[in-house]
Amino acid sequence: NAGVTQTPKFQVLKTGQSMTLQCAQDMNHNSMYWYRQDPGMGLRLIYYSASEGTTDKGEVPNGYNVSRLNKREFSLRLESAAPSQTSVYFCASIVTESNYGYTFGSGTRLTVV
Amino acid sequence: AQRVTQPEKLLSVFKGAPVELKCNYSYSGSPELFWYVQYSRQRLQLLLRHISRESIKGFTADLNKGETSFHLKKPFAQEEDSAMYYCALSGSGFQKLVFGTGTRLLVSP
Repeated sequence: NAGVTQTPKFQVLKTGQSMTLQCAQDMNHNSMYWYRQDPGMGLRLIYYSASEGTTDKGEVPNGYNVSRLNKREFSLRLESAAPSQTSVYFCASIVTESNYGYTFGSGTRLTVV
Repeated sequence: AQRVTQPEKLLSVFKGAPVELKCNYSYSGSPELFWYVQYSRQRLQLLLRHISRESIKGFTADLNKGETSFHLKKPFAQEEDSAMYYCALSGSGFQKLVFGTGTRLLVSP
């Protein structure tokens, strides 16, 4: 039981390049989330998926797209990376409408130069 | 609108001293409050949920609806408590968490 798995762990991109961050969970959770973590700003929600087949914007969706490929996988895509997207990205999942809290992945540290 | 405020960016204490990490929230309904902890370069972990009224690693937190606060407390800090602590809030029903900006706790020997 791996929990929430994110790949890659580290990535350096040049401005304008694209990439996809992968997230998979094996806990049969319904809801999945992508957050970015920046110093002094805490965690901000980028996109979320309440259930398979649905996605919604969070607080900071600009420059990102997501795909809920199936119940297990929720990917985050940067179509044209910008230096402002340098951050640590966390994926999380939860059983919908439970109160047990999120399970987080280990994060992807992305640097855009 | 949901908002979580953690007024202290850094809290530095000596081992054995009491610790209180402050968290205030803004929410019009009945919130669910959480504390998450992130040790150096690790993933965030759930530390406490207000509904469970539990004590984890010696930490407790009480929801004060009158003061809209959910402060995290520990009577005697340990060096291994050094970490980043995030307070988070969600409304009833669907769990979309709003996080505070975090407080870094540094416990010195």
